Amino acid sequence: AQSVTQLGSHVSVSEGALVLLRCNYSSSVPPYLFWYVQYPNQGLQLLLKYTTGATLVKGINGFEAEFKKSETSFHLTKPSAHMSDAAEYFCAVSEKSGSARQLTFGSGTQLTVLP
Amino acid sequence: DAGVIQSPRHEVTEMGQEVTLRCKPISGHDYLFWYRQTMMRGLELLIYFNNNVPIDDSGMPEDRFSAKMPNASFSTLKIQPSEPRDSAVYFCASSFGWTGGYEQYFGPGTRLTVT
Repeated sequence: AQSVTQLGSHVSVSEGALVLLRCNYSSSVPPYLFWYVQYPNQGLQLLLKYTTGATLVKGINGFEAEFKKSETSFHLTKPSAHMSDAAEYFCAVSEKSGSARQLTFGSGTQLTVLP
Repeated sequence: DAGVIQSPRHEVTEMGQEVTLRCKPISGHDYLFWYRQTMMRGLELLIYFNNNVPIDDSGMPEDRFSAKMPNASFSTLKIQPSEPRDSAVYFCASSFGWTGGYEQYFGPGTRLTVT
């Protein structure tokens, strides 16, 4: 069975500061990994994904994440926070094998950007 | 493409009434997922379909909930009778199973309030 843990349900950063949102996963097989963002009153939007190949993945809005197999982590970073980054962020995992296509989501991290 | 379309966007109903939520997936996608999001329980997968066939409905909370997918471009989630604890945001998502990435594309959601 797969699971996702997001450390910190709320994270606050100052505008211009580094954003680091943590995600650890467990999976019995090599996973696909995702980060989604949810703005208020909207659906989830895909930020980036890792499937195979390069472990550093770049996404939209200047975000990137690095797959570290040894640490079972997929932390999301952005060098300089912008006010528009304030939203809730979800990490998700899906197993590559089998016919299942579900994503298992973490509980989310609310990012606040302070002026 | 217009993305995943959900209707209505907001629904307010009284306890005991039947509620029907609708979803149109992205054209060509062969997987469709229904989720429920609440503050207390986060994002929960209710049911998902592959090629219009229900694959896993283990997340459907009770027999009051039912979902159908009569064709590739339409799905419904019905609650009968509705209860106040069903108040939540319901999301529909779709994906294309053979891209290898399993990413899901979410609709804007239906905010259901049961009084």
